[in-house]
Amino acid sequence: QKEVEQNSGPLSVPEGAIASLNCTYSDRGSQSFFWYRQYSGKSPELIMFIYSNGDKEDGRFTAQLNKASQYVSLLIRDSQPSDSATYLCAVNMGTQGGSEKLVFGKGTKLTVNP
Amino acid sequence: ETGVTQTPRHLVMGMTNKKSLKCEQHLGHNAMYWYKQSAKKPLELMFVYNFKEQTENNSVPSRFSPECPNSSHLFLHLHTLQPEDSALYLCASSQDNPTGRALYSPLHFGNGTRLTVT
Repeated sequence: QKEVEQNSGPLSVPEGAIASLNCTYSDRGSQSFFWYRQYSGKSPELIMFIYSNGDKEDGRFTAQLNKASQYVSLLIRDSQPSDSATYLCAVNMGTQGGSEKLVFGKGTKLTVNP
Repeated sequence: ETGVTQTPRHLVMGMTNKKSLKCEQHLGHNAMYWYKQSAKKPLELMFVYNFKEQTENNSVPSRFSPECPNSSHLFLHLHTLQPEDSALYLCASSQDNPTGRALYSPLHFGNGTRLTVT
């Protein structure tokens, strides 16, 4: 069973702090990793992707990947109340018929307190 | 505007009803997906259509029947559902590599249909 594990939270941080979201995955052969943000009552939206070991930065967001440890994380610097949402980790666990098979974690609910 | 449009946004149906969910993508993608999102559970992949061919059926009960008439439209036909089928049903699309493994192929989701089965 191919799985993606996330701490469901809730994770609560004060405004301006760094929020750290973590994810582990079971398929050692996975090559693509995605972070989606889902506001309550809305659909998931892609915020970051990474497929090389190390860090990838985009504005206040940094994705970190360690394939040896099968671990991917998302850091949010200078957290804002508008960052309050559920963050879904998704991992490519192969293709079937040419289509990506993304396996999602349950998500971590983040609350940024003003 | 997400580029992927789903209708209806909300649906309440009885267990004996027949209804259909509709999804349309305006992104020129070649793959479309149905996902089910239940409370406290991960997003569950139900069906995948790639180039209009169904390439995955994740052991979904036959009371869910997908239809993909072209690469822009996807339907999910529902009949004799159970209360446990109540969930958010999300449609997604992506642009996939037909010849091999796509390294980066993010999903673009619609706003979903909130389904309640009574």
